[in-house]
Amino acid sequence: GAVVSQHPSRVICKSGTSVKIECRSLDFQATTMFWYRQFPKQSLMLMATSNEGSKATYEQGVEKDKFLINHASLTLSTLTVTSAHPEDSSFYICSASRDRGAFFGQGTRLTVV
Amino acid sequence: QKEVEQNSGPLSVPEGAIASLNCTYSDRGSQSFFWYRQYSGKSPELIMSIYSNGDKEDGRFTAQLNKASQYVSLLIRDSQPSDSATYLCAVNIDDMRFGAGTRLTVKP
Repeated sequence: GAVVSQHPSRVICKSGTSVKIECRSLDFQATTMFWYRQFPKQSLMLMATSNEGSKATYEQGVEKDKFLINHASLTLSTLTVTSAHPEDSSFYICSASRDRGAFFGQGTRLTVV
Repeated sequence: QKEVEQNSGPLSVPEGAIASLNCTYSDRGSQSFFWYRQYSGKSPELIMSIYSNGDKEDGRFTAQLNKASQYVSLLIRDSQPSDSATYLCAVNIDDMRFGAGTRLTVKP
């Protein structure tokens, strides 16, 4: 199956700092990647759709200046949580699409203290 | 707003029984449908995809699609305790939106 690698798997940061999360498709080229956030015992919430070479499309209610997405190549998308606050603590997951479906990275558990 | 609805459960079945998971969607133009399994604290993994009306079988899993009714389901035969997880329905490969998920517990 397709492999999507996400790093880091866990990160703890201080309030007010920024955190960058990387999502790589290892064995296929992904023109589209998705970023999700999941709070405990809740469903995946789509944050944004990342398209290679163009601006990301953000879902309603997601602050584009706070959650910066860069899809610099066909195998790499990054999500930067800027000026993180404790309420940003969550499980962030990326996925990359190919013809058989979307495949997920391992997820990043972000804790802001 | 495109929506994907699932019975939130929880659904509990005894080991060896058939588990039936249901999903409805609002976008009549949807063409691709997916079922994912998510264990607690882990990211989702793809179980099955289905694109045409009817049934698609893969081992103990059967996906059923009815586009006229905008309904897709997943049947798990001979349920095992290891099947205990949250099952997520997703629609359209271009903007993968997920249902809330159904939590399944298979009791030994």
